[in-house]
Amino acid sequence: DIQMTQSPASLSASLGETVTIECRASEDIYSNLAWYQQKPGNSPQLLIYDANSLADGVPSRFSGSGSGTQYSLKINSLQSEDVASYFCQQYNNYPFTFGSGTKLEIK
Amino acid sequence: EVQLVESGGGLVQPGRSLKLSCAASGFTFSNYYMAWVRQAPKKGLEWVATISTSGSRTYYPDSVKGRFTISRDNAKSSLYLQMNSLKSEDTATYYCARGGVWNNYSWFAYWGQGTLVTVSS
Repeated sequence: DIQMTQSPASLSASLGETVTIECRASEDIYSNLAWYQQKPGNSPQLLIYDANSLADGVPSRFSGSGSGTQYSLKINSLQSEDVASYFCQQYNNYPFTFGSGTKLEIK
Repeated sequence: EVQLVESGGGLVQPGRSLKLSCAASGFTFSNYYMAWVRQAPKKGLEWVATISTSGSRTYYPDSVKGRFTISRDNAKSSLYLQMNSLKSEDTATYYCARGGVWNNYSWFAYWGQGTLVTVSS
Protein backbone atom coordinates (compact mmCIF):
# COMPACT_ATOMS: atom_id res chain seq x y z
CA ASP A 1 0.00 0.00 0.00
CA ILE A 2 1.16 3.58 -0.65
CA GLN A 3 1.67 5.53 2.57
CA MET A 4 0.83 9.24 2.52
CA THR A 5 2.74 11.26 5.11
CA GLN A 6 1.17 14.66 5.65
CA SER A 7 2.67 17.57 7.59
CA PRO A 8 2.21 19.47 9.73
CA ALA A 9 -0.56 17.84 11.78
CA SER A 10 -1.74 21.27 12.88
CA LEU A 11 -1.06 24.79 11.82
CA SER A 12 -1.91 28.20 13.24
CA ALA A 13 -1.57 31.27 11.04
CA SER A 14 -2.76 34.86 10.87
CA LEU A 15 -5.31 36.27 8.47
CA GLY A 16 -3.68 37.28 5.20
CA GLU A 17 -0.72 34.93 5.66
CA THR A 18 0.37 32.24 3.22
CA VAL A 19 0.45 28.66 4.48
CA THR A 20 1.79 25.46 2.95
CA ILE A 21 0.83 21.88 3.70
CA GLU A 22 3.03 19.01 2.54
CA CYS A 23 2.26 15.46 1.53
CA ARG A 24 4.87 12.79 0.81
CA ALA A 25 4.03 9.49 -0.86
CA SER A 26 5.97 6.30 -0.12
CA GLU A 27 6.43 5.79 -3.88
CA ASP A 28 5.96 7.73 -7.09
CA ILE A 29 2.26 8.53 -7.61
CA TYR A 30 2.70 10.37 -10.93
CA SER A 31 0.71 13.44 -9.83
CA ASN A 32 -2.38 11.32 -9.11
CA LEU A 33 -3.05 13.36 -6.02
CA ALA A 34 -6.04 15.29 -4.70
CA TRP A 35 -6.48 17.72 -1.83
CA TYR A 36 -9.70 18.04 0.17
CA GLN A 37 -10.96 20.58 2.67
CA GLN A 38 -13.24 19.51 5.50
CA LYS A 39 -14.84 22.24 7.57
CA PRO A 40 -16.04 21.31 11.09
CA GLY A 41 -19.22 19.25 10.93
CA ASN A 42 -19.17 19.01 7.13
CA SER A 43 -18.17 16.43 4.55
CA PRO A 44 -14.90 16.77 2.61
CA GLN A 45 -14.85 18.99 -0.48
CA LEU A 46 -12.47 18.67 -3.39
CA LEU A 47 -9.95 21.52 -3.75
CA ILE A 48 -7.26 20.21 -6.12
CA TYR A 49 -6.94 17.19 -8.42
CA ASP A 50 -4.10 15.86 -10.54
CA ALA A 51 -1.76 17.62 -8.09
CA ASN A 52 -2.25 21.12 -9.49
CA SER A 53 -5.71 21.48 -11.10
CA LEU A 54 -8.19 23.67 -9.25
CA ALA A 55 -11.63 22.15 -8.77
CA ASP A 56 -14.69 24.07 -9.93
CA GLY A 57 -15.68 26.93 -7.65
CA VAL A 58 -12.50 26.81 -5.55
CA PRO A 59 -10.93 30.23 -4.91
CA SER A 60 -7.71 30.92 -6.76
CA ARG A 61 -5.84 31.53 -3.49
CA PHE A 62 -5.61 27.73 -3.27
CA SER A 63 -2.94 26.06 -5.38
CA GLY A 64 -1.28 22.69 -5.60
CA SER A 65 2.14 21.63 -6.83
CA GLY A 66 4.56 18.76 -6.81
CA SER A 67 5.53 15.62 -8.62
CA GLY A 68 6.90 12.17 -7.95
CA THR A 69 6.58 11.61 -4.22
CA GLN A 70 6.43 15.22 -2.93
CA TYR A 71 3.35 17.44 -3.10
CA SER A 72 2.12 20.61 -1.47
CA LEU A 73 -1.00 22.68 -1.02
CA LYS A 74 -0.57 26.44 -0.69
CA ILE A 75 -3.18 28.84 0.60
CA ASN A 76 -2.48 32.50 -0.12
CA SER A 77 -4.05 35.39 1.80
CA LEU A 78 -5.56 33.19 4.53
CA GLN A 79 -9.22 33.95 5.24
CA SER A 80 -11.33 33.06 8.27
CA GLU A 81 -13.42 30.65 6.17
CA ASP A 82 -10.27 28.57 5.51
CA VAL A 83 -10.41 27.19 9.05
CA ALA A 84 -10.71 23.47 8.35
CA SER A 85 -8.87 20.18 8.14
CA TYR A 86 -7.06 19.41 4.92
CA PHE A 87 -6.35 15.94 3.53
CA CYS A 88 -4.30 14.68 0.62
CA GLN A 89 -5.25 11.49 -1.24
CA GLN A 90 -3.44 9.36 -3.80
CA TYR A 91 -5.43 7.60 -6.52
CA ASN A 92 -2.50 6.13 -8.44
CA ASN A 93 -2.91 2.68 -6.95
CA TYR A 94 -5.48 0.69 -5.05
CA PRO A 95 -6.00 0.84 -2.14
CA PHE A 96 -6.53 4.60 -2.37
CA THR A 97 -4.96 6.19 0.68
CA PHE A 98 -5.26 9.51 2.47
CA GLY A 99 -2.87 11.60 4.47
CA SER A 100 -3.61 11.89 8.19
CA GLY A 101 -4.78 15.49 7.83
CA THR A 102 -3.74 19.00 8.79
CA LYS A 103 -5.89 21.08 11.09
CA LEU A 104 -5.66 24.77 10.20
CA GLU A 105 -6.57 27.43 12.73
CA ILE A 106 -6.43 31.19 12.74
CA LYS A 107 -4.08 32.86 15.23
CA GLU B 1 -26.78 20.17 -8.94
CA VAL B 2 -25.05 16.97 -7.90
CA GLN B 3 -26.55 15.45 -4.78
CA LEU B 4 -25.58 12.35 -2.85
CA VAL B 5 -27.79 11.42 0.08
CA GLU B 6 -26.79 8.54 2.34
CA SER B 7 -29.10 6.62 4.64
CA GLY B 8 -29.20 3.45 6.69
CA GLY B 9 -26.72 4.20 9.44
CA GLY B 10 -27.39 3.52 13.09
CA LEU B 11 -26.41 1.52 16.16
CA VAL B 12 -25.61 -2.14 15.54
CA GLN B 13 -24.12 -4.87 17.69
CA PRO B 14 -20.74 -6.41 16.88
CA GLY B 15 -21.04 -9.32 14.47
CA ARG B 16 -24.31 -8.07 12.98
CA SER B 17 -25.02 -6.61 9.55
CA LEU B 18 -26.14 -3.28 8.17
CA LYS B 19 -26.84 -1.97 4.68
CA LEU B 20 -26.20 1.61 3.68
CA SER B 21 -27.81 3.34 0.71
CA CYS B 22 -26.89 6.41 -1.30
CA ALA B 23 -29.37 8.17 -3.58
CA ALA B 24 -27.70 10.12 -6.38
CA SER B 25 -29.10 12.91 -8.51
CA GLY B 26 -27.97 15.75 -10.73
CA PHE B 27 -25.71 13.68 -12.99
CA THR B 28 -25.76 10.58 -15.18
CA PHE B 29 -25.16 8.03 -12.43
CA SER B 30 -24.41 5.12 -14.76
CA ASN B 31 -21.39 6.95 -16.25
CA TYR B 32 -19.46 7.25 -13.01
CA TYR B 33 -17.48 5.00 -10.73
CA MET B 34 -18.81 5.34 -7.20
CA ALA B 35 -17.21 4.80 -3.82
CA TRP B 36 -17.64 4.69 -0.07
CA VAL B 37 -15.19 6.48 2.22
CA ARG B 38 -15.40 6.42 6.01
CA GLN B 39 -14.16 8.57 8.85
CA ALA B 40 -13.92 7.29 12.41
CA PRO B 41 -14.79 9.88 15.08
CA LYS B 42 -12.15 12.61 15.21
CA LYS B 43 -9.98 10.61 12.80
CA GLY B 44 -8.87 10.75 9.17
CA LEU B 45 -10.41 9.42 6.00
CA GLU B 46 -10.30 5.79 4.88
CA TRP B 47 -11.37 4.55 1.44
CA VAL B 48 -13.72 1.58 1.84
CA ALA B 49 -14.91 0.46 -1.59
CA THR B 50 -15.23 1.41 -5.25
CA ILE B 51 -17.53 0.01 -7.94
CA SER B 52 -17.33 0.27 -11.71
CA THR B 53 -20.01 1.89 -13.83
CA SER B 54 -21.70 -1.41 -14.65
CA GLY B 55 -21.10 -2.93 -11.26
CA SER B 56 -19.00 -5.74 -12.68
CA ARG B 57 -15.82 -4.70 -10.92
CA THR B 58 -15.36 -3.88 -7.25
CA TYR B 59 -12.35 -2.86 -5.17
CA TYR B 60 -11.80 -3.03 -1.42
CA PRO B 61 -8.97 -2.49 1.08
CA ASP B 62 -7.92 -5.50 3.15
CA SER B 63 -9.60 -4.03 6.24
CA VAL B 64 -13.10 -4.73 4.84
CA LYS B 65 -12.52 -7.29 2.07
CA GLY B 66 -14.75 -10.32 2.56
CA ARG B 67 -17.05 -8.48 4.99
CA PHE B 68 -18.32 -5.50 2.95
CA THR B 69 -19.98 -5.58 -0.47
CA ILE B 70 -20.54 -2.54 -2.64
CA SER B 71 -23.28 -2.64 -5.26
CA ARG B 72 -25.31 -0.27 -7.41
CA ASP B 73 -28.64 -0.03 -9.21
CA ASN B 74 -28.21 2.27 -12.19
CA ALA B 75 -31.94 2.27 -12.91
CA LYS B 76 -32.52 3.76 -9.47
CA SER B 77 -29.34 5.91 -9.39
CA SER B 78 -28.50 4.25 -6.12
CA LEU B 79 -25.36 2.95 -4.44
CA TYR B 80 -25.26 0.45 -1.60
CA LEU B 81 -22.85 -0.91 0.98
CA GLN B 82 -23.68 -4.21 2.65
CA MET B 83 -21.63 -4.52 5.82
CA ASN B 84 -21.42 -7.93 7.51
CA SER B 85 -19.57 -9.17 10.59
CA LEU B 86 -19.29 -5.64 11.88
CA LYS B 87 -16.55 -4.77 14.35
CA SER B 88 -16.15 -1.88 16.77
CA GLU B 89 -13.42 -0.47 14.51
CA ASP B 90 -16.01 -0.07 11.74
CA THR B 91 -17.62 2.72 13.78
CA ALA B 92 -17.46 5.77 11.53
CA THR B 93 -19.33 8.21 9.39
CA TYR B 94 -19.71 6.65 5.95
CA TYR B 95 -19.64 8.93 2.93
CA CYS B 96 -20.85 8.14 -0.55
CA ALA B 97 -18.53 9.73 -3.11
CA ARG B 98 -18.53 10.16 -6.87
CA GLY B 99 -15.46 8.86 -8.65
CA GLY B 100 -14.33 9.22 -12.20
CA VAL B 101 -16.30 9.09 -15.41
CA TRP B 102 -15.41 5.72 -16.99
CA ASN B 103 -12.18 5.85 -14.96
CA ASN B 104 -11.49 3.91 -11.79
CA TYR B 105 -8.33 5.89 -10.92
CA SER B 106 -9.80 9.24 -10.04
CA TRP B 107 -10.39 11.76 -7.32
CA PHE B 108 -13.70 12.16 -5.48
CA ALA B 109 -15.36 15.28 -6.84
CA TYR B 110 -18.56 15.08 -4.80
CA TRP B 111 -19.38 13.70 -1.37
CA GLY B 112 -22.61 13.10 0.49
CA GLN B 113 -23.30 14.41 3.97
CA GLY B 114 -22.51 11.04 5.53
CA THR B 115 -24.34 8.52 7.68
CA LEU B 116 -23.06 7.45 11.09
CA VAL B 117 -22.58 3.77 11.87
CA THR B 118 -21.92 2.86 15.49
CA VAL B 119 -20.91 -0.70 16.30
CA SER B 120 -21.36 -1.37 19.99
CA SER B 121 -23.00 -3.82 22.33
